[in-house]
Amino acid sequence: QSVLTQPPSVSGAPGQTVIISCTGTSSNLGEGYDVHWYQQLPGAAPKLLIYANKNRPSGVPERFSGARSGASASLVITGLQAEDEADYHCQSHDSSLNGDVVFGGGTRLTVL
Amino acid sequence: QVQLQQWGAGLLKPSETLSLTCAVSGGSISENYWTWIRQYPGKGLEWIGETSHSASTNYNPSLKSRVTMSVDTSRNQFSLKLRSVTVADTAVYYCVMSSNTSSNWFDPWGPGTLVTVSS
Repeated sequence: QSVLTQPPSVSGAPGQTVIISCTGTSSNLGEGYDVHWYQQLPGAAPKLLIYANKNRPSGVPERFSGARSGASASLVITGLQAEDEADYHCQSHDSSLNGDVVFGGGTRLTVL
Repeated sequence: QVQLQQWGAGLLKPSETLSLTCAVSGGSISENYWTWIRQYPGKGLEWIGETSHSASTNYNPSLKSRVTMSVDTSRNQFSLKLRSVTVADTAVYYCVMSSNTSSNWFDPWGPGTLVTVSS
């Protein structure tokens, strides 16, 4: 059971927009801890996609964006492409666990 | 640009000790915190803990009694030991660099080592 809640799967057609949610509680996202997102392509290690809620590392396309509001966060992918098919994980910290790292269960994005 | 390469035994029997090492290239191990994360077959990620060159460590409470992390600054490497493994420890283990900020994110990640525990 993951501390942060993500939908197990989402899907969309090429060109569409998909939103992946990450829901926390008052001891993690709701307490103001930042959320970070990782993309994991099939057979590969996770890769940092969004850090500190909304920032893209160098090389990440602008069609990936993130936002956090209260105890929830979202990853938005616009202009969906076949290469975006991957697992997406959110990560934060939790004060009820001494500030330790917590993850969501991951969301499998399927491009139809 | 920091890159991580990791190695260690991939097949263990219950009660044995998992031992993994991660080599850091393109940067100094003295400048960041270094983390181990594992991923179960069902895709969930679990933070195992972190260490630094000053020997400061912070472990996941659920694993604390079995985990030891260390840093070898002369070799620019850090390592993980997990004692008394069981089938439940079967996972892909990643070594990761932690951002040197209060908002702790992970980048880059090593390629991962699949560790299977089976009798």
